[in-house]
Amino acid sequence: DAKTTQPPSMDCAEGRAANLPCNHSTISGNEYVYWYRQIHSQGPQYIIHGLKNNETNEMASLIITEDRKSSTLILPHATLRDTAVYYCIVRALYNFNKFYFGSGTKLNVKP
Amino acid sequence: ETGVTQTPRHLVMGMTNKKSLKCEQHLGHNAMYWYKQSAKKPLELMFVYNFKEQTENNSVPSRFSPECPNSSHLFLHLHTLQPEDSALYLCASSQEGGWNGYTFGSGTRLTVV
Repeated sequence: DAKTTQPPSMDCAEGRAANLPCNHSTISGNEYVYWYRQIHSQGPQYIIHGLKNNETNEMASLIITEDRKSSTLILPHATLRDTAVYYCIVRALYNFNKFYFGSGTKLNVKP
Repeated sequence: ETGVTQTPRHLVMGMTNKKSLKCEQHLGHNAMYWYKQSAKKPLELMFVYNFKEQTENNSVPSRFSPECPNSSHLFLHLHTLQPEDSALYLCASSQEGGWNGYTFGSGTRLTVV
């Protein structure tokens, strides 16, 4: 799987949009971008995934650049409950049943 | 409640004890996983089961023994652990392949004394 690079931490004001970047410059054509988050001492929670088109669900939006070398997870109106570690994972089709987690970005939402 | 239930939530055991962690899902998923999360380290994939068959053992020491009696239940049997095995043990489940993501349980916080 392609390696991902994320900033170790970010701050965001409550009510504002949180934009979490992820660099995956070595991504190949059959690799998807997944995002999970982990609130302190809980299990990770799946957020969203995409291949090359932008995706949106009730939790977030995923913007993938046209060259697919980077992506941004957007939480449109961050709340204190969104404080968590956010993981960007690139996963190949052949990595059947495997997600490998890195260190992620600790998002601190502040009042 | 995420749909994946892990018990117990907390466990303290001595190095000579034998204990088991339990994971249960009723989401209709057919793949289940064990992950380990040590303090200040990324999650480590330990075992993968597909349709009750183990398909991945990520070089896990034999003192950890998984068991998957059916697609809804997964156990991790623990025997003669070391203090460095203290960690959060997370169970997850998914449809085969996990393409729509995993559903994780809340984990078992294990302390080996």
